[in-house]
Amino acid sequence: GAVVSQHPSWVICKSGTSVKIECRSLDFQATTMFWYRQFPKQSLMLMATSNEGSKATYEQGVEKDKFLINHASLTLSTLTVTSAHPEDSSFYICSAYAGVHEQYFGPGTRLTVT
Amino acid sequence: GQQLNQSPQSMFIQEGEDVSMNCTSSSIFNTWLWYKQDPGEGPVLLIALYKAGELTSNGRLTAQFGITRKDSFLNISASIPSDVGIYFCAGPVLGGYQKVTFGTGTKLQVIP
Repeated sequence: GAVVSQHPSWVICKSGTSVKIECRSLDFQATTMFWYRQFPKQSLMLMATSNEGSKATYEQGVEKDKFLINHASLTLSTLTVTSAHPEDSSFYICSAYAGVHEQYFGPGTRLTVT
Repeated sequence: GQQLNQSPQSMFIQEGEDVSMNCTSSSIFNTWLWYKQDPGEGPVLLIALYKAGELTSNGRLTAQFGITRKDSFLNISASIPSDVGIYFCAGPVLGGYQKVTFGTGTKLQVIP
């Protein structure tokens, strides 16, 4: 149980375009999901908290207008990277909150902006 | 802030050897979490610790919640090639409601 999927697993896009990444909890409902970004050889950095039915909360330094988050249902959160630039190239990982300190992570999405 | 520093940063070990790594913080944590991340994948929870001094095992893995609440340790016994990956400690963000912060990571490589 407690499976989280992400789609796509990797994506290449041109600078200036937008990319949407989906995060789904497959066998449980999650009112809260988290989005992380991980640069090569670095740790996971929390970008934002996605709350079902309400606005996402963003960590300091993360541009809310650039990283649009929509938590439309109890099993789906989406992250849209708008007007992507090469510096946005990274590994984006979502997680779904399933209980006290229980977060189940997706397999990640590798974004490359050319 | 609640920074978690892990050491060593990376290590090469021979298959069959035991491994020890640690995680330290300048802040007190009430929960310690240990994750493993395989290349190109998301982290997977290995062990959760909830009480100072607690020692918890998961197969060949054993983790301890430091008595000062400012550190935690992870040991892997009789390492095997599939132990390769990055090990992260993590703890709840103070006042952060469900959010956790991740340590700097320890990259483990096992030589067959």
